[in-house]
Amino acid sequence: SAVISQKPSRDICQRGTSLTIQCQVDSQVTMMFWYRQQPGQSLTLIATANQGSEATYESGFVIDKFPISRPNLTFSTLTVSNMSPEDSSIYLCSAWAGEGYNEQFFGPGTRLTVL
Amino acid sequence: GIQVEQSPPDLILQEGANSTLRCNFSDSVNNLQWFHQNPWGQLINLFYIPSGTKQNGRLSATTVATERYSLLYISSSQTTDSGVYFCAVARTNAGKSTFGDGTTLTVKP
Repeated sequence: SAVISQKPSRDICQRGTSLTIQCQVDSQVTMMFWYRQQPGQSLTLIATANQGSEATYESGFVIDKFPISRPNLTFSTLTVSNMSPEDSSIYLCSAWAGEGYNEQFFGPGTRLTVL
Repeated sequence: GIQVEQSPPDLILQEGANSTLRCNFSDSVNNLQWFHQNPWGQLINLFYIPSGTKQNGRLSATTVATERYSLLYISSSQTTDSGVYFCAVARTNAGKSTFGDGTTLTVKP
């Protein structure tokens, strides 16, 4: 299995500001994934972060709004830039582990409220 | 992309009752997982089950890959079973996964 931690666990931010979320995995992984979960909704993949290369963004998400860093094989950050109330969501970090990397594990999430 | 549909969207049970949650997916997959999201938002891995049947205590799951569906069974439900149950599929291990909309389970004492 994989143990994934995130910081901060929650934050309340003002419109127009930015927040950087940190994600730490307890083992080296090739890819890390960032998801958004809007209130009452399912999880939507924002981007895939590979170490040493640019992140790959899903349709509807852009680097200027959600810049991602992946400086090594156990750590990644997601920044939510120029926030608006519509960015209020839970942001989750994820990585695969287990035998044959067959299980996806998630961090506890960062609960963001934008006023 | 792969479509994932879960049913029912909401389920209310009395403690001790049994339930069956369903996940249909639109294409062949090599990875299927069930998760429980507790009221604090934490996603808990329940089963990795691309095919076959598995059991873990009061929970069991069955995936019929050829017919593109999976079932999660909860027996003798407890209030701590409350939360949202998600099915997630991926074409490959360690790849992009697609989540269903979830089933919100409420177990009343």
